[in-house]
Amino acid sequence: AQTVTQSQPEMSVQEAETVTLSCTYDTSENNYYLFWYKQPPSRQMILVIRQEAYKQQNATENRFSVNFQKAAKSFSLKISDSQLGDTAMYFCAFMKFGAGSYQLTFGKGTKLSVIP
Amino acid sequence: EAQVTQNPRYLITVTGKKLTVTCSQNMNHEYMSWYRQDPGLGLRQIYYSMNVEVTDKGDVPEGYKVSRKEKRNFPLILESPSPNQTSLYFCASSLYRNSGNTIYFGEGSWLTVV
Repeated sequence: AQTVTQSQPEMSVQEAETVTLSCTYDTSENNYYLFWYKQPPSRQMILVIRQEAYKQQNATENRFSVNFQKAAKSFSLKISDSQLGDTAMYFCAFMKFGAGSYQLTFGKGTKLSVIP
Repeated sequence: EAQVTQNPRYLITVTGKKLTVTCSQNMNHEYMSWYRQDPGLGLRQIYYSMNVEVTDKGDVPEGYKVSRKEKRNFPLILESPSPNQTSLYFCASSLYRNSGNTIYFGEGSWLTVV
């Protein structure tokens, strides 16, 4: 079974600053996806960024980027130029792909507060 | 518009009274799943389905049932709800297992069992 660990239950950052959220995972799989989801107070689940394990290049989406270290099983999210709208819970998630399985495993989340 | 629709969005019920939370998607997705979200625990998978009549247990299936008689619908059934099933529930769907970027979530269903 896969496990996903987010070691920072809560974090805060000043507006316009940069913050990094940590995520580590444990798996024996070689082919998988990793995701960061944002959950604002509305509780909607919003995909922020995804990374395919077979790609060495780190994924980037505008102000959001990841540092994917496959050997270390680490998948951190960097938010640049933080905005008030980034205030939310952030979940790291793991999905293996292959026959007979469709399991998405989430970490416990990091609550991010962006301070004006 | 691509959508995953859950109903009801909010429900307060009593212990032991059977209830069903419906989930419907309009994207012809093969894969559907249910999650519950509890404070400090993140989202945990309850059940998933890889196609019609194909379902399997996730990490926390106890106390729940599902069915997949049609591709678009994946209801979650609580035969005898208990207070420990008070939670926020999410349904999600995906086109096929290798498309990691097309997981669509419903808006969530708040369930309180008293």
